Amino acid sequence: TQLLEQSPQFLSIQEGENLTVYCNSSSVFSSLQWYRQEPGEGPVLLVTVVTGGEVKKLKRLTFQFGDARKDSSLHITAAQPGDTGLYLCAGGTAAGNKLTFGGGTRVLVKP
Amino acid sequence: DAGVIQSPRHEVTEMGQEVTLRCKPISGHNSLFWYRQTMMRGLELLIYFNNNVPIDDSGMPEDRFSAKMPNASFSTLKIQPSEPRDSAVYFCASSWSPPGQYTGELFFGEGSRLTVL
Repeated sequence: TQLLEQSPQFLSIQEGENLTVYCNSSSVFSSLQWYRQEPGEGPVLLVTVVTGGEVKKLKRLTFQFGDARKDSSLHITAAQPGDTGLYLCAGGTAAGNKLTFGGGTRVLVKP
Repeated sequence: DAGVIQSPRHEVTEMGQEVTLRCKPISGHNSLFWYRQTMMRGLELLIYFNNNVPIDDSGMPEDRFSAKMPNASFSTLKIQPSEPRDSAVYFCASSWSPPGQYTGELFFGEGSRLTVL
């Protein structure tokens, strides 16, 4: 069974601060996706990374896939209250369409 | 365009009753997934279909759970009999994943919140 562990589980910061969320596994994934989920809604895709060492930027969000494709990080610069939500990483395998989700990091950005 | 549509949004039932959750995936998608989300266990994959065929049901908790996909535009997840520990939010998601390539983006419905008393 492939497991993804996210840390921290919960993060509370002030508006304008930076934060980093980590996603780690002992398994290799062919792709790694990050989703954000808001209360009462389903998760929504933020980014997909597929190449070891890949870095993608989405406005104030920076995503990195580890060289060995076993870990990933999400960094938010100058966080805003609108960044509040549950951030989920999900690993995919080339053998099928199965996505395994991490436990999530709940981020609260206070104004 | 309509996204993934799930019904009901909320269901409250008593232990022992049958529960049926429904999902209409996005037209043209070839994969459909059922997930269950709880605070304790996070988002768990129950079963997924590719081209209407169940591929992996290893996440289905026990025989009380069953899922069907009779055609490309409809799927059901049934729990019979239901138990209080089945209380959770059940999500349906669909995607287009080219064969042999990495998993495509999952589009989630808004979920069905199930409470079993």
